[in-house]
Amino acid sequence: DIQMTQSPSSLSASVRDRVTITCRASQSISKSLNWYQQKPGKAPKLLIYAASSLRSGVPARFSGSGSETDFTFTITNLQPEDFATYYCQQSYSSPPTFGGGTMLEIK
Amino acid sequence: EVQLVQSGAEVKKPGESLKISCKGSEYTFTDYWIGWVRQTPGKGLEWIGIVFPGDAITRYSPSFQGQVTISADKSISTAYLQWRSLKVSDTAVYYCARHVAYSRSSWYKDVWGNGTTVIVSS
Repeated sequence: DIQMTQSPSSLSASVRDRVTITCRASQSISKSLNWYQQKPGKAPKLLIYAASSLRSGVPARFSGSGSETDFTFTITNLQPEDFATYYCQQSYSSPPTFGGGTMLEIK
Repeated sequence: EVQLVQSGAEVKKPGESLKISCKGSEYTFTDYWIGWVRQTPGKGLEWIGIVFPGDAITRYSPSFQGQVTISADKSISTAYLQWRSLKVSDTAVYYCARHVAYSRSSWYKDVWGNGTTVIVSS
């Protein structure tokens, strides 16, 4: 299985800050990388697919980039509703695998 | 609104059987793969497998192959995840999710169920 390593595992930030999360794949996955947001007690929600494509309806303050093994996820102008846990997930090969998550907390 | 609604929480004993469900609405159920994802504090999110309700084809993660059975009843737009003999280690939250292919071999999960908590304890 392809291993996905996210960093940091947790992050403290303030409203209006810019934050970046990284995700590294154990082998090349081209651009087959998705990002999800999960709030406590809720299911994950898709934010970005194909490394940098913003899902319809998702605010433009969310963005993603990268290819092959190294990817980044950025939130600019953090809003109160953005404090959650974020996961990367590769869909290049089966089984799809998730990163360990990054918990974004209010400073 | 496209929705996946899952069955309620379960508390079971080791060795018991269980079948949880995921009912789709407001879309053509037979046009999309439906998959299951397990979430635990220790191992995070793990993909279990998928079923294509149109023809009942299934695919499993090697980690879950033989441990669970995924199925679907297209007549009632419902997918299932089933265990013959539960273990304490099956304790988790289980999510169903609609899988969408955005390229020849790449997928995302665009609609998720509300989650089913399964607790296995003696």
